[in-house]
Amino acid sequence: NAGVMQNPRHLVRRRGQEARLRCSPMKGHSHVYWYRQLPEEGLKFMVYLQKENIIDESGMPKERFSAEFPKEGPSILRIQQVVRGDSAAYFCASSPNSYEQYFGPGTRLTVT
Amino acid sequence: QKEVEQNSGPLSVPEGAIASLNCTYSDRVSQSFFWYRQYSGKSPELIMSIYSNGDKEDGRFTAQLNKASQYVSLLIRDSQPSDSATYLCAVKEGNQFYFGTGTSLTVIP
Repeated sequence: NAGVMQNPRHLVRRRGQEARLRCSPMKGHSHVYWYRQLPEEGLKFMVYLQKENIIDESGMPKERFSAEFPKEGPSILRIQQVVRGDSAAYFCASSPNSYEQYFGPGTRLTVT
Repeated sequence: QKEVEQNSGPLSVPEGAIASLNCTYSDRVSQSFFWYRQYSGKSPELIMSIYSNGDKEDGRFTAQLNKASQYVSLLIRDSQPSDSATYLCAVKEGNQFYFGTGTSLTVIP
């Protein structure tokens, strides 16, 4: 049973470009969470989605950030017009029941 | 502002000893608690969940929850060098999970 997949693992973008991060949950998991982690800081909740629905996006900045989890295909976290402060590790986690979470390997975003 | 507090460490224990990791949380209505292990440069890995007061054991790991004191702990018995990692405490509140900044554990051979 494959784990949570994220790609790309590393992403370099210049200021003003768009970053698109993908997450494929574990088979049978319909709950997806996105987190951001900065060095020496804890994981910060960004958004919680179920298939085709955003359940809670209160941790995500209202501007430039969006997320989706379509009926078919991976969940996508999109960051428009990236700035240096967006540089971080972005983790996706999936869950079968909105309790136990299983994390993907993360995408390390670097904005130059 | 909901807070999850952990001693950042580093905590060092000799191989074979018991490592004790502590976590306090600010929201009295929290009901679900989790411990994750994160190796440097890797993603968090779920170790245990606990929902009721008392102890929950899984192999060498024991989670302890005291809701009245707003305190959850993780004991690691017979610590091994491979247990050296950062341990994250997480609290579920509504739809969100709040993570502590983690305690760095080093097990000395």
